[in-house]
Amino acid sequence: SQELEQSPQSLIVQEGKNLTINCTSSKTLYGLYWYKQKYGEGLIFLMMLQKGGEEKSHEKITAKLDEKKQQSSLHITASQPSHAGIYLCGAPRAGGTSYGKLTFGQGTILTVHP
Amino acid sequence: DSGVTQTPKHLITATGQRVTLRCSPRSGDLSVYWYQQSLDQGLQFLIQYYNGEERAKGNILERFSAQQFPDLHSELNLSSLELGDSALYFCASSASPDVAGYTFGSGTRLTVV
Repeated sequence: SQELEQSPQSLIVQEGKNLTINCTSSKTLYGLYWYKQKYGEGLIFLMMLQKGGEEKSHEKITAKLDEKKQQSSLHITASQPSHAGIYLCGAPRAGGTSYGKLTFGQGTILTVHP
Repeated sequence: DSGVTQTPKHLITATGQRVTLRCSPRSGDLSVYWYQQSLDQGLQFLIQYYNGEERAKGNILERFSAQQFPDLHSELNLSSLELGDSALYFCASSASPDVAGYTFGSGTRLTVV
């Protein structure tokens, strides 16, 4: 099983609808990163959450971290076609010499119909 | 343009061959990361360098090696290539070695035939 499980695996919504993507870890979270990827392209950093209960927003995207549940959620309000893509969560793992390396979830494919 | 430059964008090569992927980090970033993305394995961390020194290693095969040069650019060398090595290889960079809000390059798509 994956260390980071994302749900749903794919999501199709109508423009203007709200949606939520979840990322659940099987191990202790020491922070959580959200990235967006257009198919076949590089990843774009969205947000970093470091503390339990932390919530960050950027434009219409809000992310929260629940350390007790070892889970993070990404919420998009009033979705637009520009939000379409693959959303990936990544988590640093304890041990070793670097907290910069990430373990990623398998990604959630978001399609937004105009 | 993210500021992280990867070359080449596409590479097609035969099994058993050796290739070199190149990455120039964003200006000012000292840390370089290499990731492999495939349909079955997803996005996997390979290796990290910070200011010329290896900082962390992931599930990188012995046939793969990397280095970071004094000018901070990095190269990922893949040898004795197999069909299963076909993937997107990403380079990312960050200023700090322990904060993963990195900037990704657009990737090199490797196809082994």
